[in-house]
Amino acid sequence: QSILTQPPSVSAAPGQKVTISCSGGSSNLGNNYVSWYQHLPGTAPKLLIYENNKRPSGVPDRFSGSKSGTSATLGITGLQAGDEGDYYCGTWDTGLNGGALFGGGTKLTVL
Amino acid sequence: QVQLQELGPGLVKPSETLSLTCTVSGVSVRSSYYYWSWIRQSPTKGLEWVGYIDDSEATKYNPSLESRATMSVDTSKNQFSLKLHSVTPADTAVYYCARVVNSGWHRWFDPWGQGTLVTVSS
Repeated sequence: QSILTQPPSVSAAPGQKVTISCSGGSSNLGNNYVSWYQHLPGTAPKLLIYENNKRPSGVPDRFSGSKSGTSATLGITGLQAGDEGDYYCGTWDTGLNGGALFGGGTKLTVL
Repeated sequence: QVQLQELGPGLVKPSETLSLTCTVSGVSVRSSYYYWSWIRQSPTKGLEWVGYIDDSEATKYNPSLESRATMSVDTSKNQFSLKLHSVTPADTAVYYCARVVNSGWHRWFDPWGQGTLVTVSS
């Protein structure tokens, strides 16, 4: 069971908007930035968002991120069939562990 | 363009050592701005960070794997490697290598390799 909690699945129709939540604690999300990763079938995981809300070059502005306290949210607007896949949040632990943490992943289905 | 490519054995017997190599192109593994990491994904555990090696070749591992994992860098080949000792079927997973971008106050993984499936079975 992951320390960062994500909903197992979300779904929406093409063109619609969807949000994916990520919940953690004070020693991880509460004191660190969040990143989001997209994992489409048959491809390498890809960075979507870093430092809570920044998009790497090439990532469409349909993808957005936010963080408040110990929770973070990924938003995807204008859903496309090609967005279907798994999405993971990630952060770091500021405790003795000091390592990277990932959420359990959310499977996005475009209906 | 930075690219990473994993190379692994595919099948490892229980109690043996799993050895993986990641070949990096487009950037030097000696770069001061980056660390180098392994991440694995099994059906039962999702994404699990294994560890990283930094630009001074210091290592940090997931506490759950620390006693069995060893990472190293080969600058002559621009590669970094993972050895996981005394494997069990629970170590069966797709293993990804990834670059860790370090901004000073945050770190993130970009890019990732395609991944290599390692099965632990007799």
